[in-house]
Amino acid sequence: QVQLVQSGAEVKKPGASVKVSCTASGYTFTNYGIHWVRQAPGQRLEWMGWINAGNGNTKNSQKFQGRVTITRDTSTSTAYMEVSSLRSEDTAVYYCARDVGDIRWTPPYNSFDPWGRGTLVTVSS
Amino acid sequence: QSVLTQPPSVSGAPGQRVTISCTGSSSNIGAGYDVHWYQQLPGIAPKLLIYGNSNRPSGVPDRFSGSKSGTSASLAITGLQAEDEADYYCQSYDSSLTGSVFGGGTKLTVL
Repeated sequence: QVQLVQSGAEVKKPGASVKVSCTASGYTFTNYGIHWVRQAPGQRLEWMGWINAGNGNTKNSQKFQGRVTITRDTSTSTAYMEVSSLRSEDTAVYYCARDVGDIRWTPPYNSFDPWGRGTLVTVSS
Repeated sequence: QSVLTQPPSVSGAPGQRVTISCTGSSSNIGAGYDVHWYQQLPGIAPKLLIYGNSNRPSGVPDRFSGSKSGTSASLAITGLQAEDEADYYCQSYDSSLTGSVFGGGTKLTVL
């Protein structure tokens, strides 16, 4: 079955960077996009960005422009999301999710399914 | 402030029907982009509930339905059950922001 497995929880100090991984299985990785969504404690879902796993093109939310880098490794079917210059407000659960549309035919305007279980990133001095 | 506006909370007794609204604008829902709905149980990743405005993935009970009109969309839940108590989020694409957007989420309480 289609599955996304994320890396484990991280604790970082302010100013540091964190890199979260998302390993896909059960489908052709390069035919779909991967989105990254975060959720601060008790807060709403927030879309961060997206990567076309086929050609590596990315699009970030304006809010995270310059601080978030999304990459992928097709040899391991893994997407990565790195956040730099961490601050306390970045404490959140970070999710990856697959865009349901085949990126060879459709733009990434679709629903997200499945989702990874999430990675808790805690930023604290 | 979310681009898509949802009521913070709704409630209903078991067996009743509730609706959750999602109001957008001419750059997202009103521009013709599809609306999708997710259910999030406490401490768990969101689960796709409705895609493409009104379609249910396999395994989602037909008690859940979605609709869209103009710049708004709605999620309806009939025959409320205790297990439906969760947070619900709408999602669409915004052409001005050139990215996906979520609503602020609605907490459903089953009385």
